[in-house]
Amino acid sequence: EPEVTQTPSHQVTQMGQEVILRCVPISNHLYFYWYRQILGQKVEFLVSFYNNEISEKSEIFDDQFSVERPDGSNFTLKIRSTKLEDSAMYFCASSHREPDSPLHFGNGTRLTVT
Amino acid sequence: LAKTTQPISMDSYEGQEVNITCSHNNIATNDYITWYQQFPSQGPRFIIQGYKTKVTNEVASLFIPADRKSSTLSLPRVSLSDTAVYYCLVGVFYNAGNNRKLIWGLGTSLAVNP
Repeated sequence: EPEVTQTPSHQVTQMGQEVILRCVPISNHLYFYWYRQILGQKVEFLVSFYNNEISEKSEIFDDQFSVERPDGSNFTLKIRSTKLEDSAMYFCASSHREPDSPLHFGNGTRLTVT
Repeated sequence: LAKTTQPISMDSYEGQEVNITCSHNNIATNDYITWYQQFPSQGPRFIIQGYKTKVTNEVASLFIPADRKSSTLSLPRVSLSDTAVYYCLVGVFYNAGNNRKLIWGLGTSLAVNP
């Protein structure tokens, strides 16, 4: 079964540094998402992406964050000037054409900001 | 936005049937109900989705009463590997149905004992 893959699985960075989290969605999916989950807390929506542009973003997704689909396969989340509170699991997800089709999640990148 | 309420935790034993009920009193007419499973340090995994009545797949059944204000996920004959957090979500459609922002709760932590 095709799956969403994320790299790296674990990223450690110092406060103030920039990180790029990478995702390869399922190949025939058209909708892409980033979510995050702070340890022990809820899964939080960050941003959705469709037709090469952001379609919705949450209040968490401020100017510190950006997303890009640089080629036909990768979907990246960039976090500039990381803060301690950015430490979390970041999940990429994708879904097929229909709006009600289920999300398929990757196994996440654990970001640790020291 | 529809909000879901489900028990924080449940305990069961191997071989038993487990029913997890979720309430979503403010569900909108075109919202679907979706359940995900999450193991520690992994991304959520789609289990089942439905709109009304009963849906069954190879892993679970989903029961939705006529008023759609609640739903029940039924896991037949659970095993130790079913120990996980189970999330009930109601899809919120916007932007002419082209996008979806799922609101996650804390889920139900199911512990299956030997």
